[in-house]
Amino acid sequence: QQQVKQSPQSLIVQKGGISIINCAYENTAFDYFPWYQQFPGKGPALLIAIRPDVSEKKEGRFTISFNKSAKQFSLHIMDSQPGDSATYFCAAISTGANNLFFGTGTRLTVIP
Amino acid sequence: EPEVTQTPSHQVTQMGQEVILRCVPISNHLYFYWYRQILGQKVEFLVSFYNNEISEKSEIFDDQFSVERPDGSNFTLKIRSTKLEDSAMYFCASGQGVADTQYFGPGTRLTVL
Repeated sequence: QQQVKQSPQSLIVQKGGISIINCAYENTAFDYFPWYQQFPGKGPALLIAIRPDVSEKKEGRFTISFNKSAKQFSLHIMDSQPGDSATYFCAAISTGANNLFFGTGTRLTVIP
Repeated sequence: EPEVTQTPSHQVTQMGQEVILRCVPISNHLYFYWYRQILGQKVEFLVSFYNNEISEKSEIFDDQFSVERPDGSNFTLKIRSTKLEDSAMYFCASGQGVADTQYFGPGTRLTVL
């Protein structure tokens, strides 16, 4: 049972372009949606997170868009840079729960 | 900036051997977690620990796994009798509150031969 579905599996973007990664969830009890960035050989690092009381959150070049009715959320990376090349995981958790449910990951490659 | 640390970075063991993976969570955090990531796959929850006891565990966390907080700083994951399929990256994480942001360590790569 896949609680969080993520697409695409891989993404290649030109430097300066916009990277978009999409996630969908099933469990309506989820109420916290973080995105993690992972470089090879490293642990997932929190990038940005959102709660469903807002439809968008922006931090620098990173924006989360959240559609509660569709149970979907997405990460937008504006002005993508080669240093953004990493694997990105969306995740979800519900209040009172302990375990993060991760998506399957998107390997982003930004071409100079 | 405080961070979660893990040792060793890489552990190689023979099938059937016991291994202990160690973690030092962020000092003012109260919730501790272990996750694993099989190569090329998603990160999967193993167990959460709060107030010196397991608060939640997944189906993966069977009787061969155990966790312990032996002192005020360390948090360990023990695998009693390793199997080939236990080969994975194991990540420790910690957080201040339940369902709060979880901060991950760099991981221990476990290779079972």
